[in-house]
Amino acid sequence: GAVVSQHPSWVICKSGTSVKIECRSLDFQATTMFWYRQFPKQSLMLMATSNEGSKATYEQGVEKDKFLINHASLTLSTLTVTSAHPEDSSFYICSARPILADTQYFGPGTRLTVL
Amino acid sequence: AQSVAQPEDQVNVAEGNPLTVKCTYSVSGNPYLFWYVQYPNRGLQFLLKYITGDNLVKGSYGFEAEFNKSQTSFHLKKPSALVSDSALYFCAVRDGATDSWGKFQFGAGTQVVVTP
Repeated sequence: GAVVSQHPSWVICKSGTSVKIECRSLDFQATTMFWYRQFPKQSLMLMATSNEGSKATYEQGVEKDKFLINHASLTLSTLTVTSAHPEDSSFYICSARPILADTQYFGPGTRLTVL
Repeated sequence: AQSVAQPEDQVNVAEGNPLTVKCTYSVSGNPYLFWYVQYPNRGLQFLLKYITGDNLVKGSYGFEAEFNKSQTSFHLKKPSALVSDSALYFCAVRDGATDSWGKFQFGAGTQVVVTP
């Protein structure tokens, strides 16, 4: 139980294009989902917290117009990297917190490479 | 504010020997503590958590952790390490008293290397 999927698992795109990453909780409902960014051999950096049906809350220093987050249902959140540039290349990981639970369950991550 | 410290960048241990990965924390309210493991190019897998109750928590794959309030520590342990335990381990804390959204603060991570 408590499985979270991400799609795609990897993507390569040209500079200036937009990329959408999906995060789904497969066997539970999640009112809250989180988006992280991880650089090689480093810890996870929380980018934003999204709650179903409301606007995401972004961490300080994260551009909300750059990283668009939509949490349209209790099982789906999307992160869109708009006008991607090479510095946006990273490993993006989502997590989902089941309703009334304490634990976050993580997706397998998406490797984004911007050329 | 909450913070987590994992003082060791890397821990080396021989297969069959005990494994310990250290974690200390700081929170203003009630500490909710978690351990996760990450294999290369993968997401984080949940190992165990402490919310309340017994200070010794048992988790997946033979791992356990002991909550020590006076030392503000939550060290991860395994009595006999396996080569397959080689991975990156993260400690995380959440302030259970003040944070209703459940945001985690992660430590920097500790790379565990188990040699045959």
